[in-house]
Amino acid sequence: AQSVTQPDIHITVSEGASLELRCNYSYGATPYLFWYVQSPGQGLQLLLKYFSGDTLVQGIKGFEAEFKRSQSSFNLRKPSVHWSDAAEYFCAVNDAGGTSYGKLTFGQGTILTVHP
Amino acid sequence: EAGVTQFPSHSVIEKGQTVTLRCDPISGHDNLYWYRRVMGKEIKFLLHFVKESKQDESGMPNNRFLAERTGGTYSTLKVQPAELEDSGVYFCASSRQGRVPPRLREQYFGPGTRLTVT
Repeated sequence: AQSVTQPDIHITVSEGASLELRCNYSYGATPYLFWYVQSPGQGLQLLLKYFSGDTLVQGIKGFEAEFKRSQSSFNLRKPSVHWSDAAEYFCAVNDAGGTSYGKLTFGQGTILTVHP
Repeated sequence: EAGVTQFPSHSVIEKGQTVTLRCDPISGHDNLYWYRRVMGKEIKFLLHFVKESKQDESGMPNNRFLAERTGGTYSTLKVQPAELEDSGVYFCASSRQGRVPPRLREQYFGPGTRLTVT
């Protein structure tokens, strides 16, 4: 069965600093990978996704992620964090490709705190 | 277009009572998913509808949980009788189906229903 690990439960950065949130997955086939963000009182919002092709994917709000098959990783990055980025971030993998679309398996989430 | 909506946003019930959660997916989305996050744990899949049919209910914890999607529109998730361990946030998500490229089949999530069983 596939699994997703986010090693960091809580990360604190200063506003303007760079950010990297780690995500490792375990999946037999080529994974479909996602990063979601949940701000307080809001639903999960998709930041970016990787299905195939270019391993560096750009998302919304200035985020990017790099798929590294050799390391089974899909780390999320942002060069300069804004106070509004404080939220909880989830990495997820989809267990189906082709013509179907299956359930998402999530990591434990990483809470990001941004100091002024 | 309107997003995924869930009702209620918060429910507090006593152990042994019944609660029904509702999810309205984005119009035209045939896929509907339920997920749950128990405090301190990861978000876990419960089940998946394609239109009114249950495609995958492998994540349903036990027979106290009953999900329906009559007419292939909104869905309800009933917990009867509720137990303390059912407390958590229940998310609903929807996505398109059919001849769309995988790149377009992303899941859109609702804000969740926070269920507290006391």
